Amino acid sequence: AQSVTQLGSHVSVSEGALVLLRCNYSSSVPPYLFWYVQYPNQGLQLLLKYTSAATLVKGINGFEAEFKKSETSFHLTKPSAHMSDAAEYFCAVSDPPWAGGTSYGKLTFGQGTILTVHP
Amino acid sequence: DAGITQSPRHKVTETGTPVTLRCHQTENHRYMYWYRQDPGHGLRLIHYSYGVKDTDKGEVSDGYSVSRSKTEDFLLTLESATSSQTSVYFCAISDRVRGEQYFGPGTRLTVT
Repeated sequence: AQSVTQLGSHVSVSEGALVLLRCNYSSSVPPYLFWYVQYPNQGLQLLLKYTSAATLVKGINGFEAEFKKSETSFHLTKPSAHMSDAAEYFCAVSDPPWAGGTSYGKLTFGQGTILTVHP
Repeated sequence: DAGITQSPRHKVTETGTPVTLRCHQTENHRYMYWYRQDPGHGLRLIHYSYGVKDTDKGEVSDGYSVSRSKTEDFLLTLESATSSQTSVYFCAISDRVRGEQYFGPGTRLTVT
């Protein structure tokens, strides 16, 4: 079974500071990994995804994440926070296509991390 | 944005009443999903569909049923709503090639 743990339900940074949101996963097969962002009263928007190609993945809005198999981690970073980055962020894991079966594509989500950016 | 709509967007209902939520897509994607979002739990999968009339249970399926009679529509039914089903419900779609899911705007359901 897959699982995702996001360390820290709330993270607060100053505008211009580094953003680091932590995600650790558990999976019996090499996973696909995702980061989604949710702004208040909206649906989830895909930030970036890892699908077994490059381990450093660049996404939208200046975010990037690095897949580290040895640490089973997929932490999300942004060098300089902006006020507009304030939102809730979710890490998610799924089986890869070659895992087969009808369950491909099912996402297991972490609990979410609320990012607050102070001026 | 992916063409996904959910209806209604907000609903208040009483305990014991049936409720149906609708998800409609214009992307012709094969896979559709229903999640519920609750504070501290992230999103949890209720049911999913891998084709017309093909559905399966997710992590929190008790008290919910689904139907998919057309590619574009995926219905979630609460047969007899309970207060524990007060939540925000999201529909998502995906294609098998890219792997990621695209989410609808959500339905806020309150059961009193």
